[in-house]
Amino acid sequence: QKEVEQNSGPLSVPEGAIASLNCTYSDRGSQSFFWYRQYSGKSPELIMSIYSNGDKEDGRFTAQLNKASQYVSLLIRDSQPSDSATYLCAVANNDYKLSFGAGTTVTVRA
Amino acid sequence: DTEVTQTPKHLVMGMTNKKSLKCEQHMGHRAMYWYKQKAKKPPELMFVYSYEKLSINESVPSRFSPECPNSSLLNLHLHALQPEDSALYLCASSQALENIQYFGAGTRLSVL
Repeated sequence: QKEVEQNSGPLSVPEGAIASLNCTYSDRGSQSFFWYRQYSGKSPELIMSIYSNGDKEDGRFTAQLNKASQYVSLLIRDSQPSDSATYLCAVANNDYKLSFGAGTTVTVRA
Repeated sequence: DTEVTQTPKHLVMGMTNKKSLKCEQHMGHRAMYWYKQKAKKPPELMFVYSYEKLSINESVPSRFSPECPNSSLLNLHLHALQPEDSALYLCASSQALENIQYFGAGTRLSVL
């Protein structure tokens, strides 16, 4: 079983719609959760971090964490063409190493 | 400011060459990382330095040799690489091991 799994892509959404990205993790002791955005040929860029159960909102992005279900998600509201990228879910284990999911590629259609 | 600077941006080397990748940050971060990323794959952790000491080596072949001369600088020395080592090499830093990691722009390495 992979440590971090993301819903398989690619995900195509029309401009203005909500893009929903999901991630599950296997280590129940994980404490820190991150979403990184990576444009093609570029490096990962942090867009959200979340540490406690519930929702965390930052602009058009909302991260949701449910530790009991070992599940973290990212919602992108009012999707824009500039949101087209690969989104990486990353989970920090007790030894502080980041485990990355395979990534979900999002395409926003104008 | 969350800037991590990597040089060079691109590097082409032969299998007998010796080269080095450089990473620098001036944010006072005490943890620095090297990752390798192949196309359409997530980053894979190679090395972690914490307070200038090697904390984690993910069983990386000895042809990759990390060095942390001071708290702001991280090098990756390359020697006798193989074509399959061609990848994007990413450096990251964080305030401490448990904090958010910020990535540099990466060095795209091609081994001929």
